[in-house]
This record gives sequence, C-alpha cells and structure tokens, in this order.
Amino acid sequence: DAKTTQPTSMDCAEGRAANLPCNHSTISGNEYVYWYRQIHSQGPQYIIHGLKNNETNEMASLIITEDRKSSTLILPHATLRDTAVYYCTPKAGGTSYGKLTFGQGTILTVHP
Amino acid sequence: DARVTQTPRHKVTEMGQEVTMRCQPILGHNTVFWYRQTMMQGLELLAYFRNRAPLDDSGMPKDRFSAEMPDATLATLKIQPSEPRDSAVYFCASQGQASRREYFGPGTRLTVT
Repeated sequence: DAKTTQPTSMDCAEGRAANLPCNHSTISGNEYVYWYRQIHSQGPQYIIHGLKNNETNEMASLIITEDRKSSTLILPHATLRDTAVYYCTPKAGGTSYGKLTFGQGTILTVHP
Repeated sequence: DARVTQTPRHKVTEMGQEVTMRCQPILGHNTVFWYRQTMMQGLELLAYFRNRAPLDDSGMPKDRFSAEMPDATLATLKIQPSEPRDSAVYFCASQGQASRREYFGPGTRLTVT
C-alpha cells in the first residue's frame, strides 16, 4: 500500500483558501487519491477523490501533480466549520474493491 | 439523507465481558467496513465484507474479535472477552457497488475498565 505524508497541523484565516498538501510518492498506477475529514471525532466524511486529473466539487478542489507523487486539497473559502483533521489516502481502483489506509492526517484550524 | 447507523453509541463494560456492536449500512450498499480509532494508532481497518462475505479481516485480532453479517442490513462486531486495550471508537462504513466513496457511521465509543 502507498504511504502518505502530510503536515501535522496547519492554520488558516476564515474566508481564505486552505491548501493542504499530501505526498504519496509510492502510489500505484491504479490507486486513486482520496481525501476525507473528521470533525470532533465524528465519523470521517468524504471530500473528494481523483486519479490523474484535477477535480472540483461543491466542497473542494483537488490538484494532482503530473507525476502523481503529490496532491493538494484546496478549500477555497475556509469557514470555522472546516476545522477538522484532514486525511489523504490512496485507494486501489476507486471502487469498493479497494480499501482506505489512514495516516495521521493534518489538523486544520480555521481562525476567525 | 441515507446514513449508516451504529448502536450503541457508547458502551462501558468491565474487562472480561462480551461486547457486541451493531451497524446498519445504507440500504443497497454491498460493502461494509469496520474501523477502530485510538489516539495511539489512529484509524485502522479491522475487517470488511462484500455481499455479506468476509473479504479481509487481517487487521482484526482473531482470538477475541469476530465480525459477521447475518443479513444485508446488519453487520456485527463482537469482542469476547474484552480487555482495557480494546477501548476505542469503532466505526462502521458502507459503500455501494457502483460508488467510489465510503459512508461512515457515527461510531461506538467503547470503554473497557
């Protein structure tokens, strides 16, 4: 399984963009990059995923480097409710045939 | 919105007692995952099922843990006998066959004294 490296913690001002990096240099060709977040020990919440192309949805944008060794999750206008632990995790195939492997994640704190 | 439900939400028990945690996956989802979260180890995958059949339980201590899916609407995780080191939050997640995302339940917080 691919190993991921994320900063332990990051801060962001409310209303500004939060850019969360993740290194996954050993990711396999068939592994997607998934991002989840966990708020106050609730169950993890899916944010976005991608394989090669950049992706955007109503929550965030995902930028994947051309060599696929790293990615960045972008929350365009962070709010206080975005304070959470953010996990980057690879998953083979992108469907139910793969499994998620969570690291320690990045603690994002959004300040007023 | 359809949600994964877990019961009980909190459980306090004494060492040596049997503990059963239940999960109701989202209707129609055919893959169910069990995770455990502790401060020291983070989120760990214990086991997962597809179409009620166990696919991978390599993360689960076999001597005291067991996971089953008696039917498509119920998954159970049992610990017998429980030990203090089993204290953790246990999450269940489900995923549909054509879906690319897992949906997590709220978790069961287990404390073994």
